[in-house]
Amino acid sequence: DSGVTQTPKHLITATGQRVTLRCSPRSGDLSVYWYQQSLDQGLQFLIQYYNGEERAKGNILERFSAQQFPDLHSELNLSSLELGDSALYFCASSVEGTPYEQYFGPGTRLTVT
Amino acid sequence: AQTVTQSQPEMSVQEAETVTLSCTYDTSESNYYLFWYKQPPSRQMILVIRQEAYKQQNATENRFSVNFQKAAKSFSLKISDSQLGDTAMYFCAFMKQEFYFGSGTKLNVKP
Repeated sequence: DSGVTQTPKHLITATGQRVTLRCSPRSGDLSVYWYQQSLDQGLQFLIQYYNGEERAKGNILERFSAQQFPDLHSELNLSSLELGDSALYFCASSVEGTPYEQYFGPGTRLTVT
Repeated sequence: AQTVTQSQPEMSVQEAETVTLSCTYDTSESNYYLFWYKQPPSRQMILVIRQEAYKQQNATENRFSVNFQKAAKSFSLKISDSQLGDTAMYFCAFMKQEFYFGSGTKLNVKP
């Protein structure tokens, strides 16, 4: 158990819909990272937040957005969902100054039908 | 942008034997980190080993060791005394400001 929690574990929704994925980082970690893993692929970095502020942006679609709240939990919002958005979405967290020590959550499996 | 290449989509090894997984990367950076992550069927991402580019000594973690060749931009993972529990996808990753992952190598340890 990494200490990073993600909810829900599984999510099934239809095309065109909007969903919100939630992540709670490890206690004391200020940074949260979001990744997308499509079937049998490596992870694609989406976005990073540090203490409530956006720190880095990767290959995140305009239909996707994220935020980090004062209690440091983060949410990833996916809208106008397409079949190709079906993937495993991981959240990871790290303490300040140690992005190389990321701890991954168990992931949320999103299926768009 | 950095790229990470894992040229072996799938590998098999007999239990107790040694296997080496390959990884190459492309970067113009001089200071960075390299990682191997394991993803078992549970899908949890588990850090196996980490290497700082400024360190010449190859990292080791119990049965896991790396061969880091900075000039060649190569970062291979050696698993000694393979165990059934090592069966998983293995991802090589590069980190400077962000993480870049390879496409993975599926390792199957046979009894």
